[in-house]
Amino acid sequence: DTGVSQDPRHKITKRGQNVTFRCDPISEHNRLYWYRQTLGQGPEFLTYFQNEAQLEKSRLLSDRFSAERPKGSFSTLEIQRTEQGDSAMYLCASEIFRTSYNEQFFGLGTRLTVL
Amino acid sequence: DAKTTQPPSMDCAEGRAANLPCNHSTISGNEYVYWYRQIHSQGPQYIIHGLKNNETNEMASLIITEDRKSSTLILPHATLRDTAVYYCIVMANNAGNMLTFGGGTRLMVKP
Repeated sequence: DTGVSQDPRHKITKRGQNVTFRCDPISEHNRLYWYRQTLGQGPEFLTYFQNEAQLEKSRLLSDRFSAERPKGSFSTLEIQRTEQGDSAMYLCASEIFRTSYNEQFFGLGTRLTVL
Repeated sequence: DAKTTQPPSMDCAEGRAANLPCNHSTISGNEYVYWYRQIHSQGPQYIIHGLKNNETNEMASLIITEDRKSSTLILPHATLRDTAVYYCIVMANNAGNMLTFGGGTRLMVKP
């Protein structure tokens, strides 16, 4: 258990539906990241927050995706009008940002299946 | 970030050392070498990192060549629980810190 929790662990939805995932980072961590991982591939960066500010978004994050971290604690990732191509594992990670060292702690992920 | 090249898979006998290579020939002077691993059904886990000196911690050792164009992660006494995908990542510690994962090396530790 890394201390990063994600909910739900699994989500099955029909194409066109909206889904929302939640990530609770380690409490003192100021950085929170979202990644997406498809079968057989390494994780791909989606977006990250420092405290409540969303500082960068990948080009992978289409306008159907939105992420929030309203009080600098937990974060949500919402996908609107899901497509079959959105099926993947969505991973959350957190860290205490340091300029000399990077150690991200990952949750177990949310596996999304879009039918 | 510089691109890394790793063999797609390797086998290792339980109890023996596992040596996982990584090429990063275009690494910049301010970029570190990081290693993460991902055990099946889990998120990636940090192992070790280094700039130019060799590093050792309780999990592994990292050997970086003098020209910094390649490195080797060493698991000194591999166990079955070390079976995982190992990712070598080159990254500057800057404002972003987002990890760029390649394909990694799938290490299978066999009894």
